[in-house]
Amino acid sequence: EAGVAQSPRYKIIEKRQSVAFWCNPISGHATLYWYQQILGQGPKLLIQFQNNGVVDDSQLPKDRFSAERLKGVDSTLKIQPAKLEDSAVYLCASSLNLGLAGLQETQYFGPGTRLLVL
Amino acid sequence: AQRVTQPEKLLSVFKGAPVELKCNYSYSGSPELFWYVQYSRQRLQLLLRHISRESIKGFTADLNKGETSFHLKKPFAQEEDSAMYYCALSNQAGTALIFGKGTTLSVSS
Repeated sequence: EAGVAQSPRYKIIEKRQSVAFWCNPISGHATLYWYQQILGQGPKLLIQFQNNGVVDDSQLPKDRFSAERLKGVDSTLKIQPAKLEDSAVYLCASSLNLGLAGLQETQYFGPGTRLLVL
Repeated sequence: AQRVTQPEKLLSVFKGAPVELKCNYSYSGSPELFWYVQYSRQRLQLLLRHISRESIKGFTADLNKGETSFHLKKPFAQEEDSAMYYCALSNQAGTALIFGKGTTLSVSS
């Protein structure tokens, strides 16, 4: 099966500019996650979608970050305006569903988008 | 607060030596624990999860609730095991993973 796709793979912008990332999950996967991975750290959740609804956005800096998954398939994450501390790898992951059997579904990760803010 | 701690940033071993990557967690309930691996130039992928209780690529991990640990072990390391390993926790089905900072495993001949 095709994996999670992300674009672009790399992006360099100046602070205060805006940037958008795109993610296409594995076909049929209802749950989509955006993680931020700062150098030297593990991935940290930004936002989680179930179909086109938001499940958890408690750690999303909403003054500058936004995300949508309008048709319940692909998703975009936007940063406006970017700050130096936003330099990170942005990972998209998807899973089949919310773990209806009481067990966590396996999350499949995309290759990530590496953002550098100058 | 829920937290995953991987105390070693880098672990270097020789081929054939035993490997133990440490992972401790803080969570008061019954979490699910996972090990994810990222090989060079590849994406993050699931290695194993504690409920499966299986060996993947020779690696095993046992959940010790008393010590709140989930250490990853392999009796004989191979060069192809060199990668970044992340321990992760899920506090309930359907929620995002909480990751540790990761440990780089370097296996040399």
